[in-house]
Amino acid sequence: DSGVTQTPKHLITATGQRVTLRCSPRSGDLSVYWYQQSLDQGLQFLIQYYNGEERAKGNILERFSAQQFPDLHSELNLSSLELGDSALYFCASSVIGGTEAFFGQGTRLTVV
Amino acid sequence: AQKITQTQPGMFVQEKEAVTLDCTYDTSDQSYGLFWYKQPSSGEMIFLIYQGSYDEQNATEGRYSLNFQKARKSANLVISASQLGDSAMYFCAMREGGRTGNQFYFGTGTSLTVIP
Repeated sequence: DSGVTQTPKHLITATGQRVTLRCSPRSGDLSVYWYQQSLDQGLQFLIQYYNGEERAKGNILERFSAQQFPDLHSELNLSSLELGDSALYFCASSVIGGTEAFFGQGTRLTVV
Repeated sequence: AQKITQTQPGMFVQEKEAVTLDCTYDTSDQSYGLFWYKQPSSGEMIFLIYQGSYDEQNATEGRYSLNFQKARKSANLVISASQLGDSAMYFCAMREGGRTGNQFYFGTGTSLTVIP
């Protein structure tokens, strides 16, 4: 158990809908990262938050947004969903000055 | 240019044998970290081993060791005494400098199959 909790584990939704993925980082970790893993794109970095502030942005679509709350949990919002958004979405967290990031078990999103 | 390159899409190894998974990286930073993660069929990403750019000795964690060759910019993972449970995808990753940490760059992964 990495200590990073992601909910839900599985999500099936229709095209055009909006979903929210939730991540609780390990206790004490201030950095949260979101990654998308699809079969044809590998692991793509979406966005990083550090202590509530956006720190880095990757290949995140405008339809996607994220935030980190004062209690350090983070949410990834995906809207106007398309079939191509079907993927495994990972959240990871790390400590300040830390080395490795610890990953949650992922949320498998299926858009039908 | 790709930050992390894994040139072996798939590898096979006999049980109890050692196997090396290749990884090369590209960065102009002096301070960076190199990581290996394992992803079994269940999907979770499991941290295996870390090597800092200033570490002089190769990292080891149980049956895992990282063969770090800085001049060649390579960070190969060596798994000794392979077990059936080692069958999984393996990802090499890098994080460039800074105390607060930056994003992790991942390679495309190597699928390892351990043969009984």
